[in-house]
Amino acid sequence: EAQVTQNPRYLITVTGKKLTVTCSQNMNHEYMSWYRQDPGLGLRQIYYSMNVEVTDKGDVPEGYKVSRKEKRNFPLILESPSPNQTSLYFCASSWSQGSSYGYTFGSGTRLTVV
Amino acid sequence: QKEVEQNSGPLSVPEGAIASLNCTYSDRGSQSFFWYRQYSGKSPELIMFIYSNGDKEDGRFTAQLNKASQYVSLLIRDSQPSDSATYLCAVKNDMRFGAGTRLTVKP
Repeated sequence: EAQVTQNPRYLITVTGKKLTVTCSQNMNHEYMSWYRQDPGLGLRQIYYSMNVEVTDKGDVPEGYKVSRKEKRNFPLILESPSPNQTSLYFCASSWSQGSSYGYTFGSGTRLTVV
Repeated sequence: QKEVEQNSGPLSVPEGAIASLNCTYSDRGSQSFFWYRQYSGKSPELIMFIYSNGDKEDGRFTAQLNKASQYVSLLIRDSQPSDSATYLCAVKNDMRFGAGTRLTVKP
């Protein structure tokens, strides 16, 4: 089954403790992206990747890192999480940035930073 | 700043009615758009793609695009309680999303 897999689904952590949210897709998509979703603000792009070893900032990149060493994986790293990073996170993938097929989203990761 | 605006709602319609969801955008260079549906606690799922002026129909869903007025809309005919969700519009080129409109269909 074609899918984007995110882990974990839920995570509660403390301020400053480094964490990684994993994202993997099995569709051989070149383009991958991370979004955060907050009430009233919708989906905001954090980082995206056009292909292996090519990443770029989205609208809200502060406090996040990403890497794209393999085509299928695009982990999101929070080096020193803070409470304002409490949010619902989605990973998405597509054939290309402007693909007419749209994006396939993962199931989401609900992160709480206390 | 390129903006995609949606009325956050909630929009409430009775079962069987037509639900009308609207989205406006600021970038005149935007040519095509997606509509996504997101159930509470779930991930967005693609329901429509539109790139031409006018209407595009898919079952009970009709997307309308007016590039001169810079708006795109989604009509849901014969609304069902299962249509209750948040509807997000997105610009295809950079996948910039609106904040979404929450729709409730009452039996």
